[in-house]
Amino acid sequence: KAGVTQTPRYLIKTRGQQVTLSCSPISGHRSVSWYQQTPGQGLQFLFEYFSETQRNKGNFPGRFSGRQFSNSRSEMNVSTLELGDSALYLCASSQGFNEKLFFGSGTQLSVL
Amino acid sequence: GIQVEQSPPDLILQEGANSTLRCNFSDSVNNLQWFHQNPWGQLINLFYIPSGTKQNGRLSATTVATERYSLLYISSSQTTDSGVYFCAVRGRDYKLSFGAGTTVTVRA
Repeated sequence: KAGVTQTPRYLIKTRGQQVTLSCSPISGHRSVSWYQQTPGQGLQFLFEYFSETQRNKGNFPGRFSGRQFSNSRSEMNVSTLELGDSALYLCASSQGFNEKLFFGSGTQLSVL
Repeated sequence: GIQVEQSPPDLILQEGANSTLRCNFSDSVNNLQWFHQNPWGQLINLFYIPSGTKQNGRLSATTVATERYSLLYISSSQTTDSGVYFCAVRGRDYKLSFGAGTTVTVRA
């Protein structure tokens, strides 16, 4: 069974641009969640989707948004990028809500 | 939100040694998971353990939910055990909160 797949692996953007990251969960998994990892703030929860509905949201500004499609694939979007958005963005999937999480390899975003 | 504290922040071990990592949390939790992040950034789920004790090879974990802590035991450590170990809890609001991690270095 393929694991959680995140694309792209690396991304370089400039301030003010927007970016879309993609996550394909493990086959059969219906829950997808997103996290931001930085050296200063550690791992922080962004949002979680289950069956195309946002179930939970972390404390991030509205520039961060996401969605989940009917095939459980998910995307997250960051608009008007700031230097502080440079981070490793991780996606995780689970079979159901509140179950064991499996992480992808992440997308390393650099904002210049 | 729920606070998660991990200790120690850093741990240096000689190959073959045993160690205990601790995770304290400030409120009741819906679940608790332990992860290992390898040097390439990949997070691997070690345990899903809201309560009780589980074992997986040289690793074992115990969560005492009533006392708000969990322990991860590494026995006969190997160099491949190096990396950062994270504890993550899902609080009453079902948001996942991570500890700051314990960085483990195992020397040959």
